[in-house]
Amino acid sequence: GAVVSQHPSRVICKSGTSVKIECRSLDFQATTMFWYRQFPKQSLMLMATSNEGSKATYEQGVEKDKFLINHASLTLSTLTVTSAHPEDSSFYICSARLGKPYNEQFFGPGTRLTVL
Amino acid sequence: DAKTTQPNSMESNEEEPVHLPCNHSTISGTDYIHWYRQLPSQGPEYVIHGLTSNVNNRMASLAIAEDRKSSTLILHRATLRDAAVYYCILMRASYDKVIFGPGTSLSVIP
Repeated sequence: GAVVSQHPSRVICKSGTSVKIECRSLDFQATTMFWYRQFPKQSLMLMATSNEGSKATYEQGVEKDKFLINHASLTLSTLTVTSAHPEDSSFYICSARLGKPYNEQFFGPGTRLTVL
Repeated sequence: DAKTTQPNSMESNEEEPVHLPCNHSTISGTDYIHWYRQLPSQGPEYVIHGLTSNVNNRMASLAIAEDRKSSTLILHRATLRDAAVYYCILMRASYDKVIFGPGTSLSVIP
């Protein structure tokens, strides 16, 4: 199956700093990628939809100025958590879609962010 | 959005079949039924999907009720590696997003 990678897998940063997470589709082109956040013992929460070459679409309640998404190519989307605070500590997961919307999505392994 | 309902948790003995139910009474004609699973500390993994007919692949089988208001994911022989949270999700042909519900946490007992 298609492979989606994320980098880094874990990151620890100080409060107030910015952190960039990369999501890559390794063996296919993804016009659309998705970013999720997952807190412990909870389900995944969709943050935003990232479309190549255009602005991301954010879900209600997600601050677009805090979570900057860039989808500059068909194989790379980045999520930057700006001015991170301890409450931003979470498991961030990206996914990429193959083909039409009703086809399966492939998920990255996730990035564990800890803000001190 | 069409919603799905799953039991919060289930248990299975190792090497026995597991039937994971999902109710989706408000499903529309263009909704596909997808199943994903998430192992601890990993991203979700695609398991199977279907529209009307039952489906089989190397991981599992999907049995879809005739009225499509429910479906069952069948793991034919549970292993310890199948312990995960299983998500039943409806995806419309014209609808981009994958919205996750709470899923079913499956425990496999040795």
